[in-house]
Amino acid sequence: RKEVEQDPGPFNVPEGATVAFNCTYSNSASQSFFWYRQDCRKEPKLLMSVYSSGNEDGRFTAQLNRASQYISLLIRDSKLSDSATYLCVVNRRGSQGNLIFGKGTKLSVKP
Amino acid sequence: DAGVIQSPRHEVTEMGQEVTLRCKPISGHDYLFWYRQTMMRGLELLIYFNNNVPIDDSGMPEDRFSAKMPNASFSTLKIQPSEPRDSAVYFCASSGGIGTDTQYFGPGTRLTVL
Repeated sequence: RKEVEQDPGPFNVPEGATVAFNCTYSNSASQSFFWYRQDCRKEPKLLMSVYSSGNEDGRFTAQLNRASQYISLLIRDSKLSDSATYLCVVNRRGSQGNLIFGKGTKLSVKP
Repeated sequence: DAGVIQSPRHEVTEMGQEVTLRCKPISGHDYLFWYRQTMMRGLELLIYFNNNVPIDDSGMPEDRFSAKMPNASFSTLKIQPSEPRDSAVYFCASSGGIGTDTQYFGPGTRLTVL
């Protein structure tokens, strides 16, 4: 089983739609979870951290389910500018700073 | 504040040549990471340093790859000799501060080996 697995997509959605991505991870000892965003031919950038209680940042909501070892990202009211690849990220067991990146889910928002 | 700085941004070289990629982490960060990204394999960790000391180099593909961090503000990744299969985008990232794993990436070096 891969350490971090994501559906590669692409997810093609119209503007204004709500879209959700899921990600599963294999290491039950992971403590840190993130979503990064990567635009075409650019570097990955932190979108948001994911907390056990779930967290929201504007149109973006992240959830963590430790029992099932999955992380989700919900984007409401999609904008054209949300088109990007979204990377699910978890830390390696007991290893500060050492993160494992999923291959990403590609989102394309159409007018 | 300056982010992670990488140079060069693009490198085109011929097979067999030596390639050196450079990185300046964010000031005050004590972790530095080198990644390689390809369409097929995604983002792969090559090596990372903590306080200038290599901690895990298990991701370095083979002896042709080497990395150094002579001081807290500079690191290099060297490929010698380069091969066409080394063509990829190489990212440097840094992180630091108690209780945070967040990594900040540089703009990357796009390497093409002909």
